[in-house]
Amino acid sequence: SQQGEEDPQALSIQEGENATMNCSYKTSINNLQWYRQNSGRGLVHLILIRSNEREKHSGRLRVTLDTSKKSSSLLITASRAADTASYFCATVGNYGQNFVFGPGTRLSVLP
Amino acid sequence: DAGVIQSPRHEVTEMGQEVTLRCKPISGHDYLFWYRQTMMRGLELLIYFNNNVPIDDSGMPEDRFSAKMPNASFSTLKIQPSEPRDSAVYFCASSHRGQVEKLFFGSGTQLSVL
Repeated sequence: SQQGEEDPQALSIQEGENATMNCSYKTSINNLQWYRQNSGRGLVHLILIRSNEREKHSGRLRVTLDTSKKSSSLLITASRAADTASYFCATVGNYGQNFVFGPGTRLSVLP
Repeated sequence: DAGVIQSPRHEVTEMGQEVTLRCKPISGHDYLFWYRQTMMRGLELLIYFNNNVPIDDSGMPEDRFSAKMPNASFSTLKIQPSEPRDSAVYFCASSHRGQVEKLFFGSGTQLSVL
C-alpha cells in the first residue's frame, strides 16, 4: 500500500505558534498533496508538491518532500484558531488516479 | 460555481433497505471519485470515473455496492441491501483533467444504518 501516514495523530498548540505535521508513505509517488478538513465538512485542497520538488510555499504553508525518506512535512506558521482542523496527506502513484489518504492529524489551535 | 453537490446530507435507514447517494460534480470536471470515511478506516477510495466511465472500482467493498455515472453531471452510489457496518460519511469529489490531482470535495452524506 502506498498509504500515507501522518504524524502526530493529534497536535495542540497556542495561537501564534507554528504547527508541523509529518507524512510518510511506502511506495514511489508522482506527487503528494495536503488537504484540510473542518469538522463536518469535506476536504479542501491546500497544496501539491511533485516528486521532483523539495519545497513549496503557499501563504503561511510550507511543504517539504524527501523522496529518499518517503516523507513530507507541512508547516503552518503563525497559527490561528481558524486553522483548527484535521490535515491529511494524499499520495498518487505513477499510474492511475488512485489518491490514497493517510489517517490525518487533528490540529487544535487554542486562542 | 456551486461546488460539488451531494444529497442527501444525512440518511438514516434500517438494515436491509436500499440506499442511494447522489452527487453532482463541478461543471466541466472530467474525474469523479467516491470516498468513504470512518474513524476506524479513515478515507477509503471506493471508485472513480473518467469521462463517465468507471476506471477503478477495486475499492468497492462488495457486490452490495454499485456506482453509476449516466452523464457528466450526475453520479449515484447505491447500497443494496444496507448493513450497519456501512454507516459512514460518503464523499464525492471531482477534478479537472488540467489538474487532476486537485480534488474538490462535496460536503458528504452521513449515512446511519440501524
